[in-house]
Amino acid sequence: EVQLVESGGGLVQPGGSLRLSCDASGFTFSSYSMSWVRQTPGKGLEWVSYISSSSDARHYADFVKGRFTVSRDNAKNSLYLQMNSLGAEDTAMYYCARSSFYFGSYYFDYWGQGTLITVSS
Amino acid sequence: IQLTQSPSSLSASVGDRVTITCRASQGVGSYLAWYQQKPGKAPNLLIYAASTLQSGVPSRFSGSGSGTDFTLTISSLQSDDFATYYCHQLNNYPPGTFGQGTKVEIK
Repeated sequence: EVQLVESGGGLVQPGGSLRLSCDASGFTFSSYSMSWVRQTPGKGLEWVSYISSSSDARHYADFVKGRFTVSRDNAKNSLYLQMNSLGAEDTAMYYCARSSFYFGSYYFDYWGQGTLITVSS
Repeated sequence: IQLTQSPSSLSASVGDRVTITCRASQGVGSYLAWYQQKPGKAPNLLIYAASTLQSGVPSRFSGSGSGTDFTLTISSLQSDDFATYYCHQLNNYPPGTFGQGTKVEIK
């Protein structure tokens, strides 16, 4: 059974940092690209970042570029998101999602349960 | 690329046929997915490539469309289907964009 379990969320002050983790099981992690997606009541679902299976390609949404860094450790079956210079606008539920390639594009076929980030003083 | 879902919410009864539309501001080919999300849970992939049913998803769900206009249809609404539905275009992924969601409520 495919499982993705996020951790690392919590309350952080503006300007602070957090590192999210996503532990994968039930599939060959090293064969799949992965993404981070966040969700807020106001803006809905937003794609945050993408990393290819071998880490040779990484992409970021404009609103996190230069502040967030995605990485992975295929030996540990883990995905990470280092989040720096956090602001109130980063308050959201953060999901990791497996990206499977079908018919010419990537689709998010499995999602973790999410980890909540609250940026507040 | 902007995605506009309609309606934003709807009320329906068990057994009803429900149709949700998703319109893209420019063509996205068939690179469109539909997700179902229940309160407190992560989105769940229902349909990808506009019309392909994800494994394990009941056949009462179907998707159609290409280019700018897409439809998610639930042929006979079940109690387990009351949720929020999102479309997601991946023509220009990354980044891709999500629709704002359609909440399906019990009438």
